Amino acid sequence: DGGITQSPKYLFRKEGQNVTLSCEQNLNHDAMYWYRQDPGQGLRLIYYSQIVNDFQKGDIAEGYSVSREKKESFPLTVTSAQKNPTAFYLCASSWDRGNTEAFFGQGTRLTVV
Amino acid sequence: GEDVEQSLFLSVREGDSSVINCTYTDSSSTYLYWYKQEPGAGLQLLTYIFSNMDMKQDQRLTVLLNKKDKHLSLRIADTQTGDSAIYFCAVYSSASKIIFGSGTRLSIRP
Repeated sequence: DGGITQSPKYLFRKEGQNVTLSCEQNLNHDAMYWYRQDPGQGLRLIYYSQIVNDFQKGDIAEGYSVSREKKESFPLTVTSAQKNPTAFYLCASSWDRGNTEAFFGQGTRLTVV
Repeated sequence: GEDVEQSLFLSVREGDSSVINCTYTDSSSTYLYWYKQEPGAGLQLLTYIFSNMDMKQDQRLTVLLNKKDKHLSLRIADTQTGDSAIYFCAVYSSASKIIFGSGTRLSIRP
């Protein structure tokens, strides 16, 4: 089945540690996105990538890093520089310019203690 | 910059129609979407509309677009308890990224 997969669903980390969230898609989509969701604030764009080996900062990129070495993979690293990393993280993918919809993964809930 | 706004809460009686409203700022948005999110889950696309359309109907869902006022609405007819969720308005902006509103939490009264 085609789709977009995020893992793990729940993740716990100690403060000061970097952590990497996985996002894989087999839809052959060119564009991939990472969003952060906090209660009452909707989705905020962290990073997005329209093509392999290229990505752009979204609205809240500070404290995060990404890579796009393969078309199907767009991992997100939450670094120790992110001041408030506990949140629900959503990955999405779509066709490139002129897309019709973005497909979402089921999300990863990150808790930093 | 680009912005998408929605009210945070809506409560309707079971069987009534729900209307969720959204305003956006990017007049060059080509696609506008409505997504549904159930607790602890990702987002599910409900419907979308192209910017050259005024209305789109899909079973119980009706989307209305007023491009002049940059206003988008989602009407759910005969609202059921299973429609309880957060509904997100989103636009595909001229900067080639998808911008989301804050989401409207729809609750259903018996």
